[in-house]
Amino acid sequence: GAVVSQHPSWVICKSGTSVKIECRSLDFQATTMFWYRQFPKQSLMLMATSNEGSKATYEQGVEKDKFLINHASLTLSTLTVTSAHPEDSSFYICSARDGLAGSNSYNEQFFGPGTRLTVL
Amino acid sequence: GQNIDQPTEMTATEGAIVQINCTYQTSGFNGLFWYQQHAGEAPTFLSYNVLDGLEEKGRFSSFLSRSKGYSYLLLKELQMKDSASYLCAVADSNYQLIWGAGTKLIIKP
Repeated sequence: GAVVSQHPSWVICKSGTSVKIECRSLDFQATTMFWYRQFPKQSLMLMATSNEGSKATYEQGVEKDKFLINHASLTLSTLTVTSAHPEDSSFYICSARDGLAGSNSYNEQFFGPGTRLTVL
Repeated sequence: GQNIDQPTEMTATEGAIVQINCTYQTSGFNGLFWYQQHAGEAPTFLSYNVLDGLEEKGRFSSFLSRSKGYSYLLLKELQMKDSASYLCAVADSNYQLIWGAGTKLIIKP
């Protein structure tokens, strides 16, 4: 099956620093990648959708200047949390699929293992 | 607005059967997914329904009624490892996944 990896799996940082999280599709080309955030005992919240080679589409309420997304290749997307604060502490999960967002051939999303971010 | 409803928590006994319901109201419908999520881990895919009816896959089955905006996940021969949260998600007209809050399933011996 399709495998998606994330790195790091957990990170602890000081307030004000920036943190980069990588999401890679290991055995397929991910035209579309999604970034989610999940707070304890809550559901997944979509932060942004990115298609390879184009700018990410952010959900309402998500600051695009704070959460920088780069989807430069078909196998790699990065999320950078800039100037992180304690309220940014959360479980960040990426997912990937090999169909364009909005296309007629909807494919399953394959999830990475997640990255737990703790900002002190 | 778009809405996915599922029970917050359910408890069942090892070896028994449990049904987790999901009702939805979305702008468009392009399929319904069920995912399993263990604490501290990412969701893993269980099933996808886009047509009405029952899809069976081993101990897990998923049912969909589009006219009623309703689905259920049926888990048979429950095992302790089935203790997890079960997430219902609907793909809307833009193929965006709308997520339910998840149902925490507790299995007791």
